[in-house]
Amino acid sequence: GESVGLHLPTLSVQEGDNSIINCAYSNSASDYFIWYKQESGKGPQFIIDIRSNMDKRQGQRVTVLLNKTVKHLSLQIAATQPGDSAVYFCAEFRGGGADGLTFGKGTHLIIQP
Amino acid sequence: GAVVSQHPSRVICKSGTSVKIECRSLDFQATTMFWYRQFPKQSLMLMATSNEGSKATYEQGVEKDKFLINHASLTLSTLTVTSAHPEDSSFYICSPSVGDTQYFGPGTRLTVL
Repeated sequence: GESVGLHLPTLSVQEGDNSIINCAYSNSASDYFIWYKQESGKGPQFIIDIRSNMDKRQGQRVTVLLNKTVKHLSLQIAATQPGDSAVYFCAEFRGGGADGLTFGKGTHLIIQP
Repeated sequence: GAVVSQHPSRVICKSGTSVKIECRSLDFQATTMFWYRQFPKQSLMLMATSNEGSKATYEQGVEKDKFLINHASLTLSTLTVTSAHPEDSSFYICSPSVGDTQYFGPGTRLTVL
């Protein structure tokens, strides 16, 4: 079935380094994607989003890249900080904004001092 | 803005009892409410979608008679887990939405003994 998945379940990086979290999606009709951060015991927190008419979008220390040809999404976090340690999920709109989100499996990002 | 509350944050109950989880959007009115469930070390899975005053739409595999959703107003929705069993132990997260924007509650940790 249609799904959104991640390549790496755990990613460990040194504090100050850049990190890249990847996500593959299977529904070529998807037109809106969101990255969320989830800390232990809390709800998801919006990080950044991108629509299918864009290839790249930048925020503060974060960049999302979308490659529609290979149905791949990535989240780049620059100059990682201890507070960036969390699980990161990509999510795909199921359609029209009224059908909820399909979440990927999640990547646990660990920032080492 | 966009503050979402859930109550209770944690609940432990005996098998066979019912538990009600409240979700409130404190400073906005949500046109649609989504309820997600997240098992340990897994991703969020959409359970159901509801609009104020309408019956909820449940995802495949989610029993509508077991997970009762009441969407009383644009700022309040409740999820009742009836006759809870240990396999219902999970993290339940509400997500009130306005158009394409989904906000997330802090989650409710349900443990069924």
